[in-house]
Amino acid sequence: EAGVVQSPRYKIIEKKQPVAFWCNPISGHNTLYWYLQNLGQGPELLIRYENEEAVDDSQLPKDRFSAERLKGVDSTLKIQPAELGDSAVYLCASSRDQINNEQFFGPGTRLTVL
Amino acid sequence: QKEVEQDPGPLSVPEGAIVSLNCTYSNSAFQYFMWYRQYSRKGPELLMYTYSSGNKEDGRFTAQVDKSSKYISLFIRDSQPSDSATYLCAMSDRGSTLGRLYFGRGTQLTVWP
Repeated sequence: EAGVVQSPRYKIIEKKQPVAFWCNPISGHNTLYWYLQNLGQGPELLIRYENEEAVDDSQLPKDRFSAERLKGVDSTLKIQPAELGDSAVYLCASSRDQINNEQFFGPGTRLTVL
Repeated sequence: QKEVEQDPGPLSVPEGAIVSLNCTYSNSAFQYFMWYRQYSRKGPELLMYTYSSGNKEDGRFTAQVDKSSKYISLFIRDSQPSDSATYLCAMSDRGSTLGRLYFGRGTQLTVWP
């Protein structure tokens, strides 16, 4: 069974530039999560999808962050414009559903904002 | 105060040692408890998953949950250099936010040969 796929693995951009991350969850997993992980910290939830519906986006900074999960499969997380403080690892995870919430993580995208 | 507290270490032990990792939490609604292992520049990997109180054993790993004390532990027996990683505890409550994981900051473990 293929795991959660994320791309790109690394991204370096100048501040104020836009950036987008892509995630493809494990086949058959209806729930998809985006997490932010700062250095030396645990992941923090940004947004959770049940199929194509965002059911928990309370931690997403909506002034600059947006996400979508069209067709309820893969997902894109966007930052526009990026700030220096956005440098972190962005992790995508999926689970079969919100009841069985064993979450499986992708390798993450390491973002550096200069 | 964060909802989940975890000593970041670092923890360094010789091969074969028994390792004890732990987390405390403040939210009594947490019902699901997990331990993740994260190698450098990789995503977290689920190690153990338990519901409510009690013990769970899987090979060299044992997870314990004490809800009365709001304390969870992970024990690693016969530790190996390949166990060197950061170990993250995570937990979740029930209800409308079921599915959101609250993580500790992770404990960095090094097992030396």
